[in-house]
Amino acid sequence: ELKVEQNPLFLSMQEGKNYTIYCNYSTTSDRLYWYRQDPGKSLESLFVLLSNGAVKQEGRLMASLDTKARLSTLHITAAVHDLSATYFCAVDMALNNDMRFGAGTRLTVKP
Amino acid sequence: DAGVTQSPTHLIKTRGQQVTLRCSPISGHKSVSWYQQVLGQGPQFIFQYYEKEERGRGNFPDRFSARQFPNYSSELNVNALLLGDSALYLCASSRGQGADEQFFGPGTRLTVL
Repeated sequence: ELKVEQNPLFLSMQEGKNYTIYCNYSTTSDRLYWYRQDPGKSLESLFVLLSNGAVKQEGRLMASLDTKARLSTLHITAAVHDLSATYFCAVDMALNNDMRFGAGTRLTVKP
Repeated sequence: DAGVTQSPTHLIKTRGQQVTLRCSPISGHKSVSWYQQVLGQGPQFIFQYYEKEERGRGNFPDRFSARQFPNYSSELNVNALLLGDSALYLCASSRGQGADEQFFGPGTRLTVL
């Protein structure tokens, strides 16, 4: 069974600092997604990573995918308060059209 | 262009009742997936429908059922509600079947008392 593990689950950062969120998954998949969720809101798509070595950047966030290690990272550069949210990675299981989510990383950026 | 829409926004039911949630996909999208998100957890896959047929099912009891209409909108039905069914129910649409990028709707918050 596909398992998706994120760490850390909780992250408190100071503004201006850098940090990385990790997403490990247990079976082969070539597509990995990162989503952001604000409290009480739906999921906002951040990145779609489609192949080994893929790297995408948007503002202060950069995501990468290593399919051989079954690992994706979401790197936060010079964090600002507006980045406070819960971040989910998700891996698709094309076999049964299932998308499996990690438990989420709740990020709080403090002034 | 309108995004994925869901109705109702909030719903309160009592144990044993039945509920129907509705979803309209993005125009041109033929696939709809349903997810359950319990507070503090990641979304869990319930169903995927493509071209009006069920193409995937998660590990949920038979009390959960869904269907997709010719206009690609979808309904999720839950019978014999339990307290544990209280959650945010998310609908996502994508162009095709399988591993297309999914776009999520605002969700329906279901509370079972």
